[in-house]
Amino acid sequence: QKEVEQNSGPLSVPEGAIASLNCTYSDRGSQSFFWYRQYSGKSPELIMSIYSNGDKEDGRFTAQLNKASQYVSLLIRDSQPSDSATYLCAVSTGGGNKLTFGTGTQLKVEL
Amino acid sequence: GAVVSQHPSRVICKSGTSVKIECRSLDFQATTMFWYRQFPKQSLMLMATSNEGSKATYEQGVEKDKFLINHASLTLSTLTVTSAHPEDSSFYICSASTSGSRSYEQYFGPGTRLTVT
Repeated sequence: QKEVEQNSGPLSVPEGAIASLNCTYSDRGSQSFFWYRQYSGKSPELIMSIYSNGDKEDGRFTAQLNKASQYVSLLIRDSQPSDSATYLCAVSTGGGNKLTFGTGTQLKVEL
Repeated sequence: GAVVSQHPSRVICKSGTSVKIECRSLDFQATTMFWYRQFPKQSLMLMATSNEGSKATYEQGVEKDKFLINHASLTLSTLTVTSAHPEDSSFYICSASTSGSRSYEQYFGPGTRLTVT
């Protein structure tokens, strides 16, 4: 079982819709969870971090964490073509500050 | 804030030569820096973790004598790929984090695309 799992996609949504990206993780001791956006040929950019159960909103982005279900998600409201990218879920593992990344979900926002 | 630079952005070298990549945190002190490698259409693979003034901790399967990491100060870490071969061609990305309440957040440099001919 992979430590951090994501559906590779592509996930296609129309412009203006809500995009929902999901991630599951295997280490119950993980305490920190992150979403990164990576455009093709570029390095990842941190867009959200979440540390406690529940929702965390930042602009059009909402991260949701459910530690009991070992599940973290990212919602993007009012999706724009510029949101088209690969979204990487990252989870702290091993009790230290290392992150384990999922393989990413490719999001395509269509006009 | 949290800007990380990386140099060079792109390098082409001949097989058997060495290449040094620099990673700098520009507006914060990075207690820990990480080096990743990413092959096309694959996710990030952590190569090593380095703390300022300490020896780097390498991930399983990463040759420490081939990938030399130095973290000489709180703002600079270097990765040297020694005796590079075509299979070392990849996208190398560093990240930096700092101690404190957001100690697990990692900020990435723009990456270095290495091509070994």
